[in-house]
Amino acid sequence: AQSVTQLDSHVSVSEGTPVLLRCNYSSSYSPSLFWYVQHPNKGLQLLLKYTSAATLVKGINGFEAEFKKSETSFHLTKPSAHMSDAAEYFCVVNGDSSYKLIFGSGTRLLVRP
Amino acid sequence: SAVISQKPSRDICQRGTSLTIQCQVDSQVTMMFWYRQQPGQSLTLIATANQGSEATYESGFVIDKFPISRPNLTFSTLTVSNMSPEDSSIYLCSAGTTIPTDTQYFGPGTRLTVL
Repeated sequence: AQSVTQLDSHVSVSEGTPVLLRCNYSSSYSPSLFWYVQHPNKGLQLLLKYTSAATLVKGINGFEAEFKKSETSFHLTKPSAHMSDAAEYFCVVNGDSSYKLIFGSGTRLLVRP
Repeated sequence: SAVISQKPSRDICQRGTSLTIQCQVDSQVTMMFWYRQQPGQSLTLIATANQGSEATYESGFVIDKFPISRPNLTFSTLTVSNMSPEDSSIYLCSAGTTIPTDTQYFGPGTRLTVL
């Protein structure tokens, strides 16, 4: 069975400092992994996706994530936080043939001026 | 990528009534799903909307409460029946294709409040 654990419910950073949002996954298949972002009162936007082509995945708005099979991790990073990055971030796994998505509990990113 | 619209964007309903939410995709897709996001929570899959056949429901969700239709490859509806305050949530549909990629895109959601 597939599952996702987001290790932090809240992360607070200062504007201009690095962002790290942690995610561990469990999958009995070779997984597809995603990061989605949800701004307040908005829908979900796809940030990036891992498909096994490359372990370091670059997404939109300067975000990237690294797939580490040995650690079953898919952490999201950004070198320099912007105020507009404040949002809820979801790590998501899709590991079986049904294409159903399994969502993590979410990490709320707060960016301090 | 697929562009997805949902109607209505929000609604306030009385308990015991039903609401039908529409999901429209701008291109033909193989996959459509419905999710619920309760206040302050993550997303939970309600069902897979199958084109031309009955939807496939996840554990804890039943057809009598959440009937779903998908008459073609670009449109689906979710009805929330006999509503109670516990049904107050954001309901989102997602869509995507399996080829060349299984990426899913989400609609903006329908924010439902039941009084």
